[in-house]
Amino acid sequence: EVVLTQSPGTLSLSPGERATLSCRASQSIGSRYLAWYQQKPGQAPRLLISDVSDRATGIPNRFSGSGSGTDFTLTITRLEPEDFAVYYCHQYGGAPLSFGGGTKVEI
Amino acid sequence: EVRLVQSGAELRKPGESLRISCRGSGYSFRTYWIAWVRQMPGKGLEWMGIIFPGDSDTRYSPSLQGQFTISVDKSINTAYLEWSSVKASDTAIYYCARHIGIAGTGWFDPWGQGTLVTVSS
Repeated sequence: EVVLTQSPGTLSLSPGERATLSCRASQSIGSRYLAWYQQKPGQAPRLLISDVSDRATGIPNRFSGSGSGTDFTLTITRLEPEDFAVYYCHQYGGAPLSFGGGTKVEI
Repeated sequence: EVRLVQSGAELRKPGESLRISCRGSGYSFRTYWIAWVRQMPGKGLEWMGIIFPGDSDTRYSPSLQGQFTISVDKSINTAYLEWSSVKASDTAIYYCARHIGIAGTGWFDPWGQGTLVTVSS
């Protein structure tokens, strides 16, 4: 089973700053099989990124994903007020699929 | 617009049965897998299982298998998550999501709004 470890657990930043979120897998999941989701309080998760770096429809280009093998990154270039939320990575390269524990981006 | 609409919040006593639902619209329901994901209070996301409406092929998380049943009625574009005897530890928000991929190899988009299940005596 692939375990995803997200760091940091909480990221305290200000609007306009850059956010860098890490997701590390316990074994290689290749160069493609990773997605990122955003979850705001009281809401369902929303797909941001699939296949490591493909932005979902309607997702602003300040969100970008990168990485391969065991190390992956979600970058938000300039934080907007609506970006403060919890972010989860999700691997689908190894069975069973799994989620990371989440990174909270707070003001 | 692709939408998944889930049934409303439920309150049960331990030992009671429960079924919650997820209805898809705006796409060909029987050609996309549907996943169920659990979020326990204050915790992260946990994949429970997936089902293919076209033929009811179902896969369960090995760590959770046997605790619930996933089913589908493709004639009404609805997937179900069912317990025969709920426990307090089943208290959580349950999300359904359309699975883009094949049998677990893919991502989830969109998600239903979630169903809060509370189990308390």
